[in-house]
Amino acid sequence: GAGVSQSPSNKVTEKGKDVELRCDPISGHTALYWYRQSLGQGLEFLIYFQGNSAPDKSGLPSDRFSAERTGGSVSTLTIQRTQQEDSAVYLCASSTRDRGSPLHFGNGTRLTVT
Amino acid sequence: AQSVTQLDSQVPVFEEAPVELRCNYSSSVSVYLFWYVQYPNQGLQLLLKYLSGSTLVKGINGFEAEFNKSQTSFHLRKPSVHISDTAEYFCAVTGRDSSYKLIFGSGTRLLVRP
Repeated sequence: GAGVSQSPSNKVTEKGKDVELRCDPISGHTALYWYRQSLGQGLEFLIYFQGNSAPDKSGLPSDRFSAERTGGSVSTLTIQRTQQEDSAVYLCASSTRDRGSPLHFGNGTRLTVT
Repeated sequence: AQSVTQLDSQVPVFEEAPVELRCNYSSSVSVYLFWYVQYPNQGLQLLLKYLSGSTLVKGINGFEAEFNKSQTSFHLRKPSVHISDTAEYFCAVTGRDSSYKLIFGSGTRLLVRP
């Protein structure tokens, strides 16, 4: 079946502009995660959605970052007033509710802020 | 809250030699532990996991890891590496509490040389 799909694969934007990154999880997966991967920094947790529960937003680095998940499926990560330090690969992953089930990652969106 | 420390950012090793990638975690509750691998130009995939039971867990491609509660470690090992094992390896932890947040370490780049 289809895996986790992220779009766009690459995004170049000017400093100060807003960007939206999209994630289509695997059908039936109730959990959805956003991570940021910077060179040498590993994967930084941003936000987590589980079903209809309130999302865990504890990893969002500033109030310029927000995310929503509509209908328990597609998710959008929005970065307002982008800064150069926002440049990174943004990864989305989904999984079933079973805590031991693996996360299935998308190929990511490479964001470059000029 | 949980945290993960991967002590080595890069581990160079010759082909057919053994390798150990170190991972230490911190948590106030019991944990589930994971290793993920990211091959060049590919997405992350699950290598192995520890949920309960035997502290020695085996994963794909001949890798294994041992959970050591007293030392709060989950080191990854392989007795004989191949060129194809060259990749970035990430240790991850989640607490056995109400949160499903999965925290990753900064990664270790395994570089296998002929």
